[in-house]
Amino acid sequence: GAGVSQSPSNKVTEKGKDVELRCDPISGHTALYWYRQSLGQGLEFLIYFQGNSAPDKSGLPSDRFSAERTGGSVSTLTIQRTQQEDSAVYLCASSSVSRDGTQYFGPGTRLLVL
Amino acid sequence: QKEVEQNSGPLSVPEGAIASLNCTYSDRGSQSFFWYRQYSGKSPELIMSIYSNGDKEDGRFTAQLNKASQYVSLLIRDSQPSDSATYLCAVNMGGGSQGNLIFGKGTKLSVKP
Repeated sequence: GAGVSQSPSNKVTEKGKDVELRCDPISGHTALYWYRQSLGQGLEFLIYFQGNSAPDKSGLPSDRFSAERTGGSVSTLTIQRTQQEDSAVYLCASSSVSRDGTQYFGPGTRLLVL
Repeated sequence: QKEVEQNSGPLSVPEGAIASLNCTYSDRGSQSFFWYRQYSGKSPELIMSIYSNGDKEDGRFTAQLNKASQYVSLLIRDSQPSDSATYLCAVNMGGGSQGNLIFGKGTKLSVKP
């Protein structure tokens, strides 16, 4: 079956612009996660959606970052007034409700802020 | 502060040898543990998951968990050049199966032909 998809695969923007990153999870997966991976660094948790529950936003680095999930499926991560330190790979993952809880990752969006 | 620690490497082993990757975690109540492999420029892909103390084998891979020592490891037998990648240890510290994972920074493995 189809895996997690993300778009765009690459995004170059100018400092101060807003960007939107999209994630389409595996069909039937109720949980969706956003992570960020800066060059040479580990994955940093950003936000977590589970079904209709309020999202866990504890990892968002500033109020310039926000995310929504429409209809329990597709999610959009928005970064307002981008800064150069926002340059990273933004990874989306999804998982099903099970004891396993394994997260499956999309290919990522590479964001470069000039 | 919830943390997952890994040696950054690089760990270099000859082809056919056993590669041993180690990880420690800070939260004693953690229940779910994962090893992901990440090739350069690619996203992480799941290698193994483990939830109970002891060993879990899948092909050439064996995950080992010791909750008392807060330690999880991954052994790769008969290492191949295609195993050269960064291996990420990830822990769900929420006490359940859902919720965000805390990742280590990864160990870079190089398998020399």
